[in-house]
Amino acid sequence: AQSVTQLDSHVSVSEGTPVLLRCNYSSSYSPSLFWYVQHPNKGLQLLLKYTSAATLVKGINGFEAEFKKSETSFHLTKPSAHMSDAAEYFCVVSESNFGNEKLTFGTGTRLTIIP
Amino acid sequence: NAGVMQNPRHLVRRRGQEARLRCSPMKGHSHVYWYRQLPEEGLKFMVYLQKENIIDESGMPKERFSAEFPKEGPSILRIQQVVRGDSAAYFCASSPLGEEQFFGPGTRLTVL
Repeated sequence: AQSVTQLDSHVSVSEGTPVLLRCNYSSSYSPSLFWYVQHPNKGLQLLLKYTSAATLVKGINGFEAEFKKSETSFHLTKPSAHMSDAAEYFCVVSESNFGNEKLTFGTGTRLTIIP
Repeated sequence: NAGVMQNPRHLVRRRGQEARLRCSPMKGHSHVYWYRQLPEEGLKFMVYLQKENIIDESGMPKERFSAEFPKEGPSILRIQQVVRGDSAAYFCASSPLGEEQFFGPGTRLTVL
């Protein structure tokens, strides 16, 4: 069975400082890993995805994540936070099973940006 | 190409009534997933459908919940005899086979 653990439920950073959102995963197979962002009362937007190609994945809005198999981690980073980054972030794992790509979500990390 | 559409965006029902949530996938997508997000929680998988077939319903409650994706028209998530615990945001996602899932804006169900 697959699962993800987001280690921080809330993260606060000052505008212009680096962002680190931590995620550990558990998977029986070679997983696909994703980060999604959810702004208040909105749907989910895909930030980036890892699908066994390069271990350092670059996404939209300056975010990137590094897949570390030895640590079973997929932490999300951004060099410089912007006010518009304030949102809920979800780490997600998928194990393809005959084309069934059902996603397993972490519990989310709420990112607050301090002006 | 319009994104995934869900309606209604907000739905209020009294206990015991039925709730019908609709999802129109993106053009060309024949795979639909439904997820439920309870307050302060992540999304939980409910059901995976292809046209006219339920592929995986392992996340669906055993009673009162059903889903369909007919040959024509949107996918429907139906909740009979709603209870307060059904209050949540319900998200639909669509994809081509084996590809990224695109999410709709969600339907927020409130049960009074």
